[in-house]
Amino acid sequence: GQQVMQIPQYQHVQEGEDFTTYCNSSTTLSNIQWYKQRPGGHPVFLIQLVKSGEVKKQKRLTFQFGEAKKNSSLHITATQTTDVGTYFCAGPRNYGQNFVFGPGTRLSVLP
Amino acid sequence: ETGVTQTPRHLVMGMTNKKSLKCEQHLGHNAMYWYKQSAKKPLELMFVYNFKEQTENNSVPSRFSPECPNSSHLFLHLHTLQPEDSALYLCASSQDVQGLSNTEAFFGQGTRLTVV
Repeated sequence: GQQVMQIPQYQHVQEGEDFTTYCNSSTTLSNIQWYKQRPGGHPVFLIQLVKSGEVKKQKRLTFQFGEAKKNSSLHITATQTTDVGTYFCAGPRNYGQNFVFGPGTRLSVLP
Repeated sequence: ETGVTQTPRHLVMGMTNKKSLKCEQHLGHNAMYWYKQSAKKPLELMFVYNFKEQTENNSVPSRFSPECPNSSHLFLHLHTLQPEDSALYLCASSQDVQGLSNTEAFFGQGTRLTVV
């Protein structure tokens, strides 16, 4: 079945540094979603990408969907301590099926 | 906060106990989900309900028994659990089943379950 992988598993950055997490799927995705889970919290939806090559921005966060729709990335510019948490990507297992989540990238930001 | 409320927030139970987790959503959504999140595995989808009907069961052991009496409420009945079942159990809802409509999922705050 379809697998969603994320790298890196962990990332420690100094406040102010940039951060990028990558999401890769073994199959083509119709769309991809990104979620953030703060420590001790629950996943919260960030964004959805649908089109090939799509790029969306939310303040310091930039999301990109690959041309082949098999990979995606989340880039944070000038990290802040409020960015701490685990970032998950999620995509449909197969067309029309429910989403499967990647293992997540846990971000730590040192002040 | 999110419109999806889970109770209890924490639960400790013995392996012979029977307990139930409750989830309620106030968003008017048609689909509801149970996820398991443990330290060693990513978010695992357990069950999916659409308009009260179960549409997906991801090979979950029978010691986990879901119940969906209406589109707003979802229960997870637990009995004879094992210590390895200790995890964060998350409920979520979406307007329609995600795979068909690509809608976002709204998660509850979860129940932290410890089986002793």
